Amino acid sequence: AQTVTQSQPEMSVQEAETVTLSCTYDTSENNYYLFWYKQPPSRQMILVIRQEAYKQQNATENRFSVNFQKAAKSFSLKISDSQLGDTAMYFCAFMKHRGAQKLVFGQGTRLTINP
Amino acid sequence: ETGVTQSPTHLIKTRGQQVTLRCSSQSGHNTVSWYQQALGQGPQFIFQYYREEENGRGNFPPRFSGLQFPNYSSELNVNALELDDSALYLCASSLVGGAWDGANVLTFGAGSRLTVL
Repeated sequence: AQTVTQSQPEMSVQEAETVTLSCTYDTSENNYYLFWYKQPPSRQMILVIRQEAYKQQNATENRFSVNFQKAAKSFSLKISDSQLGDTAMYFCAFMKHRGAQKLVFGQGTRLTINP
Repeated sequence: ETGVTQSPTHLIKTRGQQVTLRCSSQSGHNTVSWYQQALGQGPQFIFQYYREEENGRGNFPPRFSGLQFPNYSSELNVNALELDDSALYLCASSLVGGAWDGANVLTFGAGSRLTVL
């Protein structure tokens, strides 16, 4: 079974600063996908960024980037130039390459961006 | 394109009752998944439906059941409600069979918050 661990329950930074959220996972699979989802108070899960395990290049989406270390089973999210609208719960998630599209989520990190 | 819509947004039930939650998938999507998110926790996979059949199930008892309709909308039914069933229930849709790049990423609805008293 796969597990995802987020060791930072809460983080807080000032607007415009850079923040890194940590995530580790455990799996015996070789091909899989990793995701970061954002859940604002509106409750809807919003995809922030995704990474395919067979790609060595780290994914980047505007101010969001990941540091994917496959051997260490680590998948951290870096948010640059943080904005007030980035305040939300952030979940790291794992999905196997084949079979049902089952996401395995971590416990989440509550990120607060202060003005 | 329309997103994933869920109803009702909030509901309160008493222990032992039954509940039905509904989900309309995003236009063009053919697969629906359901997740349970307890307060302060990450979502947990309940099951997924593809072509109107269950296609994968998480560690949930049989009193959690579902349906997918020909228009790809879905229902989640929970019988004999227990206090621990109080949670946010999230529906997500995706397209299976298309190219990976963005086509089968899950799109989530805003959820139905169930309170069991």
